[in-house]
Amino acid sequence: SQTIHQWPATLVQPVGSPLSLECTVEGTSNPNLYWYRQAAGRGLQLLFYSVGIGQISSEVPQNLSASRPQDRQFILSSKKLLLSDSGFYLCAWSVFKDQPQHFGDGTRLSIL
Amino acid sequence: SQQGEEDPQALSIQEGENATMNCSYKTSINNLQWYRQNSGRGLVHLILIRSNEREKHSGRLRVTLDTSKKSSSLLITASRAADTASYFCATPPRANAGGTSYGKLTFGQGTILTVHP
Repeated sequence: SQTIHQWPATLVQPVGSPLSLECTVEGTSNPNLYWYRQAAGRGLQLLFYSVGIGQISSEVPQNLSASRPQDRQFILSSKKLLLSDSGFYLCAWSVFKDQPQHFGDGTRLSIL
Repeated sequence: SQQGEEDPQALSIQEGENATMNCSYKTSINNLQWYRQNSGRGLVHLILIRSNEREKHSGRLRVTLDTSKKSSSLLITASRAADTASYFCATPPRANAGGTSYGKLTFGQGTILTVHP
């Protein structure tokens, strides 16, 4: 069966520090991969999505970036975190474009 | 603005009662999906209804879709305390949207459901 792993579960970082969040999927090949941010337990904002290795689409201009170095690995990065980057970050995958997405358990990021 | 908007924003009921949540969307869709999120966790897919379907059931869940009104509803029957969670609707744009919009889900703001034992 397919599983998605996302880590770390919680992270506290100072303003201006770098960020690297990792997400990996097991049990499927060539998944569509997504990074979302959720503020205050409400709606999800799509940040990036990827349909293949090295293919990244950005939805919202910001100081975050994403990379997909391997088929089932998706990384969210920042060179310098801002206070506004605090939030709950969720990684997800889907088999096909408009099919159900499967989410990891998220990373709670707090910026001090 | 959000493609999907849930109503109500919060719902509080007693165990055993039914819970109904509504979702409205703006553009044509291929399907509409409902997700559940327990506090501090990721979202879990509940049910997908296609644009040519009007009603779909899964256990205690019943979803309806009215494409003429661009709305959907999620009914949870005989609710349990364990149903306490946030519920979101999500829509992908139609397949012929083309470009970078194809395949992305747009989520509503969610309904927070509290079921009291």
